[in-house]
Amino acid sequence: GQQVMQIPQYQHVQEGEDFTTYCNSSTTLSNIQWYKQRPGGHPVFLIQLVKSGEVKKQKRLTFQFGEAKKNSSLHITATQTTDVGTYFCAGCCDTGKLIFGQGTTLQVKP
Amino acid sequence: DSGVTQTPKHLITATGQRVTLRCSPRSGDLSVYWYQQSLDQGLQFLIQYYNGEERAKGNILERFSAQQFPDLHSELNLSSLELGDSALYFCASSVAGLASEQFFGPGTRLTVL
Repeated sequence: GQQVMQIPQYQHVQEGEDFTTYCNSSTTLSNIQWYKQRPGGHPVFLIQLVKSGEVKKQKRLTFQFGEAKKNSSLHITATQTTDVGTYFCAGCCDTGKLIFGQGTTLQVKP
Repeated sequence: DSGVTQTPKHLITATGQRVTLRCSPRSGDLSVYWYQQSLDQGLQFLIQYYNGEERAKGNILERFSAQQFPDLHSELNLSSLELGDSALYFCASSVAGLASEQFFGPGTRLTVL
């Protein structure tokens, strides 16, 4: 069945360093969504990418959707302690389901 | 606050028991989704309802069932509970289908002893 793989599983960075998480799907996606879950919290929607090669920015966060619509990435520039949490990608909708990746947990050392 | 409410917040029960988790979606949202999140695990999609009808099914066990009522709230029933069912159960809602952003509730933490 459709799988969405996300790497790395964990990332520890020094505050001010950059961070990137990658998401790969076994099949072509209609769209991809990104969510952030703070420790002890619930997932919160960040963004949705629909078009092949799409790039969207939210302040220090840059989201990309691959040309083949099978991969995506989230890049954070100059991390801050408020960026701590787990970032999930979620691929839609080949099987009629939103398939979440395993998530990348980001730790930021002040 | 996402606008999605879930009750109870915590639930502790014994193996073999049955529990019901409740979710009220955001006002106006027709779709409700249920997810299971175990320790250090991602979000496992269980089931989706759209306007009262089952729309999509994930890896939901036969011991688990759900429904969405006419007022659009949803309940997830877990029966014959096992230790491995201990997890955080999230409900999410969206305006329409899977292409819409999902708003997650605070979750119900289930502990099976």
